Amino acid sequence: SAVISQKPSRDICQRGTSLTIQCQVDSQVTMMFWYRQQPGQSLTLIATANQGSEATYESGFVIDKFPISRPNLTFSTLTVSNMSPEDSSIYLCSVAVQGGLANYGYTFGSGTRLTVV
Amino acid sequence: KNEVEQSPQNLTAQEGEFITINCSYSVGISALHWLQQHPGGGIVSLFMLSSGKKKHGRLIATINIQEKHSSLHITASHPRDSAVYICAVTLNTDKLIFGTGTRLQVFP
Repeated sequence: SAVISQKPSRDICQRGTSLTIQCQVDSQVTMMFWYRQQPGQSLTLIATANQGSEATYESGFVIDKFPISRPNLTFSTLTVSNMSPEDSSIYLCSVAVQGGLANYGYTFGSGTRLTVV
Repeated sequence: KNEVEQSPQNLTAQEGEFITINCSYSVGISALHWLQQHPGGGIVSLFMLSSGKKKHGRLIATINIQEKHSSLHITASHPRDSAVYICAVTLNTDKLIFGTGTRLQVFP
């Protein structure tokens, strides 16, 4: 299975600033996803990062707030822009590898714990 | 109502106890996943199931497609098993739908 290196692992940021989170995968993968996990909540999909084109955002998430880059099949970044305390969450990237038919296995990054003060 | 429901939400156990976490879902799925999230936030994929039963070490996962139910069992629990266990399903797409998680604490 793929191995993901995600960084930073944690950060404390001032409101109004931006933070870029990186995920590097040790193999080429087609599908890469970015999730947010607010305190005490389950994971919520922010967007699917598409190589060579704009990311596909889920309802409630917009490109201006969460710009995503995917320059190749092994790397992606998520930026949390103009941060407010409500953006304090764990952010995770994930990749899917097809395990047969419609079944996909998933590997997750180690997460970025963001605190906005 | 969530499409994926887990129970219990919180679980405490003494070391050595047998643990069961349950997951029910209300949609047709292509696969069900059990994930483990440690306090630092990182997530490890434990199992992917589309039928039957899988075992890995002290962990056993079962799924009943007809009843739309899965269980994760931990035998001979240990404090290092303390984590949040998340059930997630995939429909006929590549996207995961997550349960709310079960927080497990195992005390020595």
